[in-house]
Amino acid sequence: AQSVTQLDSQVPVFEEAPVELRCNYSSSVSVYLFWYVQYPNQGLQLLLKYLSGSTLVKGINGFEAEFNKSQTSFHLRKPSVHISDTAEYFCAVSRGGDDKIIFGKGTRLHILP
Amino acid sequence: EPEVTQTPSHQVTQMGQEVILRCVPISNHLYFYWYRQILGQKVEFLVSFYNNEISEKSEIFDDQFSVERPDGSNFTLKIRSTKLEDSAMYFCASSFTGEETQYFGPGTRLLVL
Repeated sequence: AQSVTQLDSQVPVFEEAPVELRCNYSSSVSVYLFWYVQYPNQGLQLLLKYLSGSTLVKGINGFEAEFNKSQTSFHLRKPSVHISDTAEYFCAVSRGGDDKIIFGKGTRLHILP
Repeated sequence: EPEVTQTPSHQVTQMGQEVILRCVPISNHLYFYWYRQILGQKVEFLVSFYNNEISEKSEIFDDQFSVERPDGSNFTLKIRSTKLEDSAMYFCASSFTGEETQYFGPGTRLLVL
């Protein structure tokens, strides 16, 4: 079975500062990794995904994530955040194909002025 | 860009009543999913559906729940007799066969009183 751990439930960061949202996963098989974003009162939007190949994945809105197999991590980063990045961020895994997605508990990103 | 749509956006119902949540997946997608998110908690998988059959269901998806693809475009989730604990945001998702990305709808917020 797969599981996802997002250790930080909330991360406050000043506007224009860099941010890293941590995600660790556990699985006995190869997985695909995702970050989804949920803006206030909205649905889930795919930010980026890692399927295979380069371990550094670039997504929308200037976000990127790095897959580290040895540390079973898939941390999300952005070099400079904006107020508009205020949202909840969910790390997720799947075995691929039509398999269900398993989500972490989410990290709420607070941007401080 | 094609997107998944869901209706209604909000639904308030009395405990014990039946509700039907509707989804229109992306037109060429063949795999369909329902997830739910209880307020403040993580997104949880409910059921996946392919070729007019349930592919997988979670332990949450008990006999009170059912899914249907009544025509070529809609995908519905029925809760036969709602309970207070069914109050949640329900997300529909769809994916194209052989592809790993699930596209999520904006959600239906269900409140059971």
